[in-house]
Amino acid sequence: DAGITQSPRHKVTETGTPVTLRCHQTENHRYMYWYRQDPGHGLRLIHYSYGVKDTDKGEVSDGYSVSRSKTEDFLLTLESATSSQTSVYFCAISGQNTEAFFGQGTRLTVV
Amino acid sequence: QKEVEQNSGPLSVPEGAIASLNCTYSDRGSQSFFWYRQYSGKSPELIMFIYSNGDKEDGRFTAQLNKASQYVSLLIRDSQPSDSATYLCAVESSGSARQLTFGSGTQLTVLP
Repeated sequence: DAGITQSPRHKVTETGTPVTLRCHQTENHRYMYWYRQDPGHGLRLIHYSYGVKDTDKGEVSDGYSVSRSKTEDFLLTLESATSSQTSVYFCAISGQNTEAFFGQGTRLTVV
Repeated sequence: QKEVEQNSGPLSVPEGAIASLNCTYSDRGSQSFFWYRQYSGKSPELIMFIYSNGDKEDGRFTAQLNKASQYVSLLIRDSQPSDSATYLCAVESSGSARQLTFGSGTQLTVLP
């Protein structure tokens, strides 16, 4: 979607390796989110950010960390990937008075 | 834990019919409600949002909100095969950071 880019779009990694997913926005929105989507579970919030260096945990944060050193970038890190973290990851952004919209998604496979 | 429940699918309707999608939520303090459409293999896209009790219409889509019953619905009139997708109900938390809690989605198929 315009204004938000996720990278990489696809990744295959081995169990136990670290992985970092990047979300980049050009909208200057305050809020950024990481969700994972799995069959039967819908979208579940992993972590979110409400400003530079301001982050907090979501519903399924175990095994994940995030960082936001500048407004436009929100990084999601899997310190030691496990097979249960195989999923599709979506970044979303929203402003104070704008609704959330999503990036294209990253399909991560942990083998 | 804040929950959002959607009517179980999949839902099939004939072309031209009205599709009705329903959603209930547990957080009584929620104020903002959204419907996203997600095509297979794609990201969710916002199609409707509603903040006040009652109906909100946008083209063939009508969102309905009843805060007393903690119920949100989406009606799609004159359904088209291109409406075939998964519809996600999302509720904004009554806290900070505009967090959304999503239902698990209802898969809609519109039969030609």
